[in-house]
Amino acid sequence: SQQGEEDPQALSIQEGENATMNCSYKTSINNLQWYRQNSGRGLVHLILIRSNEREKHSGRLRVTLDTSKKSSSLLITASRAADTASYFCATDGTGNNRKLIWGLGTSLAVNP
Amino acid sequence: DAMVIQNPRYQVTQFGKPVTLSCSQTLNHNVMYWYQQKSSQAPKLLFHYYDKDFNNEADTPDNFQSRRPNTSFCFLDIRSPGLGDAAMYLCATSKTHEQYFGPGTRLTVT
Repeated sequence: SQQGEEDPQALSIQEGENATMNCSYKTSINNLQWYRQNSGRGLVHLILIRSNEREKHSGRLRVTLDTSKKSSSLLITASRAADTASYFCATDGTGNNRKLIWGLGTSLAVNP
Repeated sequence: DAMVIQNPRYQVTQFGKPVTLSCSQTLNHNVMYWYQQKSSQAPKLLFHYYDKDFNNEADTPDNFQSRRPNTSFCFLDIRSPGLGDAAMYLCATSKTHEQYFGPGTRLTVT
C-alpha cells in the first residue's frame, strides 16, 4: 500500500543545478527513507532519517523531515547526469512489522 | 561482496504456465521481501518473511506463492501467470530498517 505522495512526479534540470523532491505521508512514523532506482534496476538505499531528526546530510544529499507537516524533502546539490533516476520515499510505521510504505516516486532527468 | 542475487534477470513464460523466480542473499539478513513493480509505479509488496514467519499482503492474489527453505534463499512461484502479471519482480532483504534490493527479474507473459 502507498501512503506517500511525492512531488513533483517528474523533474527535468540541467547538470550542476540542484534538485528538490518532496514527500508527504499520512501516519506516524519511526523513520523515513529515500531510495534511488535507475531504469530497469533494483532500488538503492540512499539515506534514513529518524522521526526525532530534522535534517540529515550524506555527500550531495540533504534530507529534511517535518513531522508536524508529515513531510520530507530530498535535495540533491550540484546534480550530475548520473543522478538521472527515479527517487522514492518510504516510511515505516510505529509497529514492528518491518514493512515499508512507499511513495509514488519522482522521476528525475539531469540533462548534460 | 555481500549482495542480493536474483535469477533469472529476464524470464519469458506463456499464459498459464507456472514460473518460479529465485532470490538468494549473502547478507545473512533475517527478513526477505518480494515486490512487484509495474512501469512508472512504486514497488508493491507481495509478501515478506520475518525469519521463518510468512506474512502475506491482503491484496496479493492467490496465484502468487512463496517459499523460503533457508535464510539465504527465497522463491516466488506464480502458478498460472496472466498477462497482468507481467512486471519487474524485486527481492529485498533487511536486518534493521534499510532494505537491500536485488537487480530484479523482468517477467514477460506471452
